[in-house]
Amino acid sequence: DAGVIQSPRHEVTEMGQEVTLRCKPISGHDYLFWYRQTMMRGLELLIYFNNNVPIDDSGMPEDRFSAKMPNASFSTLKIQPSEPRDSAVYFCASSLYGVGQKHYEQYFGPGTRLTVT
Amino acid sequence: AQKITQTQPGMFVQEKEAVTLDCTYDTSDQSYGLFWYKQPSSGEMIFLIYQGSYDEQNATEGRYSLNFQKARKSANLVISASQLGDSAMYFCAMREGGGDMRFGAGTRLTVKP
Repeated sequence: DAGVIQSPRHEVTEMGQEVTLRCKPISGHDYLFWYRQTMMRGLELLIYFNNNVPIDDSGMPEDRFSAKMPNASFSTLKIQPSEPRDSAVYFCASSLYGVGQKHYEQYFGPGTRLTVT
Repeated sequence: AQKITQTQPGMFVQEKEAVTLDCTYDTSDQSYGLFWYKQPSSGEMIFLIYQGSYDEQNATEGRYSLNFQKARKSANLVISASQLGDSAMYFCAMREGGGDMRFGAGTRLTVKP
């Protein structure tokens, strides 16, 4: 398997522009997660989906952030308008659904390094 | 409330020695999973080891072992025979039910030659 695929790997944009980050999860995985990592705040869960349905978006910083999962093999995280404080590494991860006493690990993509100037 | 606590921002270990990275967690669930991830300077997140709350034996994966003390709610990672390539950030994480995973703040391990 190719693993979790994210694009672009690096994005540099100007304040006020729209940014779209893309993720392709591992085939067959039921869960998809979006994280943001910064030095100050560490690894933050932004939103996660189960079977393409958003389950918890309480980590989304504000209305400028939105995420969609139109099908099992694709998700987007959009920031509009972007601000310098959005600069971070954004990770997408996917996993199987835990059954009974088994909890599955998350497989992370390589991340997208976003810089907003 | 913070669910995963890693109290060691940084740790040093001599090459070939063992090192323990601390992790405590907080949950009222009976069924949960504990995980450790490694993040080298290149940035990728690498899954290392998993411990289920009902597992009676401590998990082991090669040079990694998880010292699981359920009553104390601790899940320390032990790396034996440290190598220079072990220098990285290490994150402890917990998954309750089938849902999201929460991560600790991480510990930066430096292996000295």
